[in-house]
Amino acid sequence: DSGVTQTPKHLITATGQRVTLRCSPRSGDLSVYWYQQSLDQGLQFLIHYYNGEERAKGNILERFSAQQFPDLHSELNLSSLELGDSALYFCASSERDGMNTEAFFGQGTRLTVV
Amino acid sequence: DAKTTQPNSMESNEEEPVHLPCNHSTISGTDYIHWYRQLPSQGPEYVIHGLTSNVNNRMASLAIAEDRKSSTLILHRATLRDAAVYYCILRGYNNYGQNFVFGPGTRLSVLP
Repeated sequence: DSGVTQTPKHLITATGQRVTLRCSPRSGDLSVYWYQQSLDQGLQFLIHYYNGEERAKGNILERFSAQQFPDLHSELNLSSLELGDSALYFCASSERDGMNTEAFFGQGTRLTVV
Repeated sequence: DAKTTQPNSMESNEEEPVHLPCNHSTISGTDYIHWYRQLPSQGPEYVIHGLTSNVNNRMASLAIAEDRKSSTLILHRATLRDAAVYYCILRGYNNYGQNFVFGPGTRLSVLP
C-alpha cells in the first residue's frame, strides 16, 4: 500500500459526459502528479500541483482540468469525454518538489468511455 | 529537456543478476537519476535514485558512471516478481516544468 488513494477504481461512462477523478496523497505530501496511461501511449504526464499551485503542465487536453485543494487532495476533471479518453489514470505524490525524494503512486482509476 | 535512452526489452534468468542500462548524455549537474518500475496492472513503484555516487537499497543498486552520462540499475538476484517495465528518469531544476516524465522504459522478462 503506497498510501496514495485514488477513487473510484473503475468508472464506465458515455461519450460526451463529464467525470471527476480523486486523488488523496500520502499524509504530508505537498506534490501531486497526474498521468494517463493508454494501451498504446505509455505513461503520459498530465499536470503537477505543489501545495495548491499548478507547477507544470504536460500533454493535458483543454477538456481536462485539475486542482489541488487546501487539504492537499487533488481532482482531475475530464469533460466532453471521447472514446479515446479510455485509459488508466494515475496520480502520484511526493513530500516536496520531488527532485531528491521518491514519489508514491496510487493504484489508478480505470476509465472506460462507451 | 534532458532525455534518457533505454533498451526496449531485456531477458534474464531467475536468480541471476540483471543489469539494466540507461544513457543520459545531456544530463545536467543538478539532475537526479531516478528509477521506477511498473508491474503488470499496477501503478509505478519507486526503485532507487542517486546524484553522483553509487547507491544501494533493499531493492537494487544504482551504478552511476563517473561522467554521469550513463547509469545501470542492478537487480542482484532476479525473481519472477521482478518482471516489469523499468523506467530511468532524470529529475532536476533545469527541466522543472517537465521533471517527472516517463519514457517507454525497458520491459524486463524473467525466465524460470
